[in-house]
Amino acid sequence: KQEVTQIPAALSVPEGENLVLNCSFTDSAIYNLQWFRQDPGKGLTSLLLIQSSQREQTSGRLNASLDKSSGRSTLYIAASQPGDSATYLCAVLAGANSKLTFGKGITLSVRP
Amino acid sequence: NAGVTQTPKFRILKIGQSMTLQCTQDMNHNYMYWYRQDPGMGLKLIYYSVGAGITDKGEVPNGYNVSRSTTEDFPLRLELAAPSQTSVYFCASSYKAEAFFGQGTRLTVV
Repeated sequence: KQEVTQIPAALSVPEGENLVLNCSFTDSAIYNLQWFRQDPGKGLTSLLLIQSSQREQTSGRLNASLDKSSGRSTLYIAASQPGDSATYLCAVLAGANSKLTFGKGITLSVRP
Repeated sequence: NAGVTQTPKFRILKIGQSMTLQCTQDMNHNYMYWYRQDPGMGLKLIYYSVGAGITDKGEVPNGYNVSRSTTEDFPLRLELAAPSQTSVYFCASSYKAEAFFGQGTRLTVV
């Protein structure tokens, strides 16, 4: 059974800091890994998608990496801003029936 | 392109009532999913479907039913609502690629 872990559950940093959010998964036979952002009371917004054959993806100040063999992904946020405050979830798509399994998320607070 | 649309956005049910949460997508995705999200618990998979006419249970299917008569629609049925079903429900679709989510339905059972 695929399990996805995100530690820590919460993180508080001062504005301007570069930070890394971690995601680990137990079964490396994945199709892809996706990072989402969720603002309080809102739905999930896709940030980055990394296919299993890729090592990283970049979008603006965000960079996501994938190491399938070790079952790890990181989301790097450069020069963090208060507007980055949200919960960040990673999810892996795997299995014969393409089940999407989520971690519990990391709640990020960027202090002005 | 509307993506994934869920209705209603909010609903209050009394214990024992039934209701259907609607989900429709216009991206011709084969795979669709229903999740519930409880505070601090992440998203848990209720049911999923790999195509029209095919559905399967996820982690927490008890108290729910689904059907998939068309590629576009994947309704979630709650029979005999219980307070434990108070949650935010999300529908998603994908095809071995990027997953897209609806805006969610916030359900309260009182």
